[in-house]
Amino acid sequence: AQRVTQPEKLLSVFKGAPVELKCNYSYSGSPELFWYVQYSRQRLQLLLRHISRESIKGFTADLNKGETSFHLKKPFAQEEDSAMYYCALSLSNRDDKIIFGKGTRLHILP
Amino acid sequence: DVKVTQSSRYLVKRTGEKVFLECVQDMDHENMFWYRQDPGLGLRLIYFSYDVKMKEKGDIPEGYSVSREKKERFSLILESASTNQTSMYLCASSFEDGRTEAFFGQGTRLTVV
Repeated sequence: AQRVTQPEKLLSVFKGAPVELKCNYSYSGSPELFWYVQYSRQRLQLLLRHISRESIKGFTADLNKGETSFHLKKPFAQEEDSAMYYCALSLSNRDDKIIFGKGTRLHILP
Repeated sequence: DVKVTQSSRYLVKRTGEKVFLECVQDMDHENMFWYRQDPGLGLRLIYFSYDVKMKEKGDIPEGYSVSREKKERFSLILESASTNQTSMYLCASSFEDGRTEAFFGQGTRLTVV
């Protein structure tokens, strides 16, 4: 079955320290992977997608098919990065489900 | 500016009531989704629709039904609301290719008393 696993419910990091939010997926097909972010009192929005290979707000994520991982990284955390982060898998076929992980709350400490 | 709009931000309903949550998108998206968001459980898919009048069950469809009579509108129906359906409900839409992002509504916080 398709599954997205985010092992950490809460991650606390000091400002200026590196951040890594872990995401592993289970899917036999060709995955389309995304990171979504929800800031306080705002709607859920896309942060980045693996197909774009882009850096958004200093965050990057590399798809590792061997390890079935799509970890989100940022070299230097900022206070405004505090938010809820969700990893998502799109099955990208006729059955276009989008499956989300349980989310990781990132708390940046001053 | 792209928009997914949910009809209510907050709702309070009584146990046993029939509840309608409405969602409208203006992006001509084929896919529309209903999720519930609970602390520690993330987003769980209730139902999704890939075309008008088409629907597929998600992971937790029990106690819910949906309706999609027009492409831009996707309704979630709680046939007989129960207290365990107290939650934040999120609507989303996307193009059918699965490679582009999903856009979310602002959410409806439903409390069943």
